[in-house]
Amino acid sequence: SQQGEEDPQALSIQEGENATMNCSYKTSINNLQWYRQNSGRGLVHLILIRSNEREKHSGRLRVTLDTSKKSSSLLITASRAADTASYFCATDAGTNAGKSTFGDGTTLTVKP
Amino acid sequence: DTAVSQTPKYLVTQMGNDKSIKCEQNLGHDTMYWYKQDSKKFLKIMFSYNNKELIINETVPNRFSPKSPDKAHLNLHINSLELGDSAVYFCASSQYVGVANYGYTFGSGTRLTVV
Repeated sequence: SQQGEEDPQALSIQEGENATMNCSYKTSINNLQWYRQNSGRGLVHLILIRSNEREKHSGRLRVTLDTSKKSSSLLITASRAADTASYFCATDAGTNAGKSTFGDGTTLTVKP
Repeated sequence: DTAVSQTPKYLVTQMGNDKSIKCEQNLGHDTMYWYKQDSKKFLKIMFSYNNKELIINETVPNRFSPKSPDKAHLNLHINSLELGDSAVYFCASSQYVGVANYGYTFGSGTRLTVV
């Protein structure tokens, strides 16, 4: 079974609200990455957090990592309609020649 | 300038045909990958090459054969296409083996439909 699982599967919010997505994984990791995928497009790397980091920020994005619970969360603050996309977490165990394992994704809809 | 470009963007073909998808990256990265995304958006790695050398070969039917003529190119050839091969195929690259600081850079995908 895949390493990362995200919840919720789908999230619908109003513009200006915050959106929180969670990712859980099963085995030890070297790092965890978050990606955004707009409909019909490729994935875009948003942020990478290493296993020895607990929190990371990038603009309106905040990522936390709790290795004891094997979970991560992505918070998007003050969401915009342009944030509508699918968001994926991916975990790199560091032992598999560069193979990262992707979760199922959370589909975020931000209504104007 | 497109960092990772793959062609074609769309591919519709009949069962039993052989087809190729091409990928090129101009980032100077050492490592390239092929991922398959199914209809439920689940992404699964298929192959990875580091500087032209195969390093990841997941459980993929041997009808799929990757080729890397140089580290900037990774092509995917599929023989005897089946209905179940219909998916979106993504090429990606990373600076080194493993995503280090910057994650993967993905191409825009090739939507393959087998009829």
